[in-house]
Amino acid sequence: AQSVTQLDSHVSVSEGTPVLLRCNYSSSYSPSLFWYVQHPNKGLQLLLKYTSAATLVKGINGFEAEFKKSETSFHLTKPSAHMSDAAEYFCVVSAPWDDKIIFGKGTRLHILP
Amino acid sequence: DAGVIQSPRHEVTEMGQEVTLRCKPISGHNSLFWYRQTMMRGLELLIYFNNNVPIDDSGMPEDRFSAKMPNASFSTLKIQPSEPRDSAVYFCASSQSSTDYNEQFFGPGTRLTVL
Repeated sequence: AQSVTQLDSHVSVSEGTPVLLRCNYSSSYSPSLFWYVQHPNKGLQLLLKYTSAATLVKGINGFEAEFKKSETSFHLTKPSAHMSDAAEYFCVVSAPWDDKIIFGKGTRLHILP
Repeated sequence: DAGVIQSPRHEVTEMGQEVTLRCKPISGHNSLFWYRQTMMRGLELLIYFNNNVPIDDSGMPEDRFSAKMPNASFSTLKIQPSEPRDSAVYFCASSQSSTDYNEQFFGPGTRLTVL
């Protein structure tokens, strides 16, 4: 069975400082992992995905995530936050043979001026 | 590609009325998903189809909810009769399950308000 835990429901950072959104997963097999972003009153957009290639994955808008099997983590980072990054972020896990994907509960990122 | 298309974008209705939400997946995708998002419960998978066949409807709240996919390019989610607690944003997503990962592409959502 697959599961995903987002460790923080809210994260606040100042503009220009680094962002870290934490995600831990549980999977019996080598998973596919994703981060989606949802801006207010918008749909979900894929930020980046890990599919057993390089463990450091680069996504859109300067975000990246590192797959660490030993820690069962897939944390999302960005070196310098921008006001436009304020949104809700979802960590997602799936098994290769399963059409369904499992969403974390989301982390709301607040950017302070 | 226009992406996943949902209609209507907003729906306001009165309790007891029938509501039909529509979705057009991305051409070539063979899996389609309906989700519901609320503040209280977050994002919930209601049902998903593969090759137009319902595979898992365990997330459908109750018999008032039904979903169909008559062909590869169209799906509906119907609520009859609607209740105020059905107020939520309903998302449709599609994916190509023959790939080695399962990236889902989401539509813009339908915001349903039941008065």
